[in-house]
Amino acid sequence: NAGVTQTPKFRVLKTGQSMTLLCAQDMNHEYMYWYRQDPGMGLRLIHYSVGEGTTAKGEVPDGYNVSRLKKQNFLLGLESAAPSQTSVYFCASSYPLAPSEQYFGPGTRLTVT
Amino acid sequence: KQEVTQIPAALSVPEGENLVLNCSFTDSAIYNLQWFRQDPGKGLTSLLLIQSSQREQTSGRLNASLDKSSGRSTLYIAASQPGDSATYLCAGKTVSGSARQLTFGSGTQLTVLP
Repeated sequence: NAGVTQTPKFRVLKTGQSMTLLCAQDMNHEYMYWYRQDPGMGLRLIHYSVGEGTTAKGEVPDGYNVSRLKKQNFLLGLESAAPSQTSVYFCASSYPLAPSEQYFGPGTRLTVT
Repeated sequence: KQEVTQIPAALSVPEGENLVLNCSFTDSAIYNLQWFRQDPGKGLTSLLLIQSSQREQTSGRLNASLDKSSGRSTLYIAASQPGDSATYLCAGKTVSGSARQLTFGSGTQLTVLP
């Protein structure tokens, strides 16, 4: 099993450009999450999904949109990138029931200039 | 709102020393607490998960404890090795309806000196 994979690994965008980050998991997990990690601030939840076709806002959702059209995929979109969105983005997935341990992907390093 | 704090932000110890990493949280209605390891430029690797009904979990040289009443968790690393050098993150999970949200601390960067 590949676990949780993320595409791309690195990306540089100019302000105002758009892009989509792809997360895929092969563990048949119901729940999927997108986090961002900034220096000295730990990880913060952007959006999450509790099942195919459902999404919900996390702690820092502004400027991002998500979609969960297939159970195994969770997409994070930036419609108009801003320098404040420079960060490392992590995707995670879990089962809904205990212990509901979250498994993380390797991350996408995004720079917005 | 759950807040998670890890102190110190950085720790340096000589090889072979036993050490304790601290994690504190504000909401005692915690569902579980998870400890992660993160190597530079890499993703997060789950080390231990403690359910709210448990008091500790062990894996090899690692032992994690959870005290909900005091809002604290500790990660004990026995006989530290240079390969243990990494950033250690704790995260508390809270439950609201169908949501299972993890709140992360900012991590402790551990350096084990040979």
